[in-house]
Amino acid sequence: DAGVTQSPTHLIKTRGQQVTLRCSPKSGHDTVSWYQQALGQGPQFIFQYYEEEERQRGNFPDRFSGHQFPNYSSELNVNALLLGDSALYLCASSLNYVGGTEAFFGQGTRLTVV
Amino acid sequence: QKEVEQNSGPLSVPEGAIASLNCTYSDRGSQSFFWYRQYSGKSPELIMSIYSNGDKEDGRFTAQLNKASQYVSLLIRDSQPSDSATYLCAVCFGSGYSTLTFGKGTMLLVSP
Repeated sequence: DAGVTQSPTHLIKTRGQQVTLRCSPKSGHDTVSWYQQALGQGPQFIFQYYEEEERQRGNFPDRFSGHQFPNYSSELNVNALLLGDSALYLCASSLNYVGGTEAFFGQGTRLTVV
Repeated sequence: QKEVEQNSGPLSVPEGAIASLNCTYSDRGSQSFFWYRQYSGKSPELIMSIYSNGDKEDGRFTAQLNKASQYVSLLIRDSQPSDSATYLCAVCFGSGYSTLTFGKGTMLLVSP
């Protein structure tokens, strides 16, 4: 059973550049959420995609955008990178269920902005 | 503001002891509660989910939920050095579709 996969695992970008991170959800899951985890903090919710639409969004600027494809995979795009965007970016997949169900994380993408 | 609070630790216990990790949350209407384990440099791994008041046991792990007190805990019996990690409490507030609010995590250190 394929779990959640993310690519790339590590990335170094220069301030002002743009980055795209990718995620394939767990087999059978239709909902993808993205989180940002800074060092020493818990993950912070960025947004969630379901049926190729952004359904919920956390407190992140519109420099953060995303997309979900018909096969449920997803991308996270960050424009105009800032040093403060350096973090572990996590993708979580789940089933569509009001009130929440178990969410499973990929291995994450470590983004370093220099 | 919906918040999840955890003691950052570290919580130090000897091998074989019971480790008790605690979490409080701000929204009485929350429905789903999760514990994740995160090793340094790795991603969070789901270890327990709990949806109703009471205890839920899975192997050496027991999750306890008290919605009236807005409190959820995780007990780890017979703690092993391999249990040393950060434990994240996550809450799905209200009618959220599996959008999780996390605490900052509690670091657990199990000494041999």
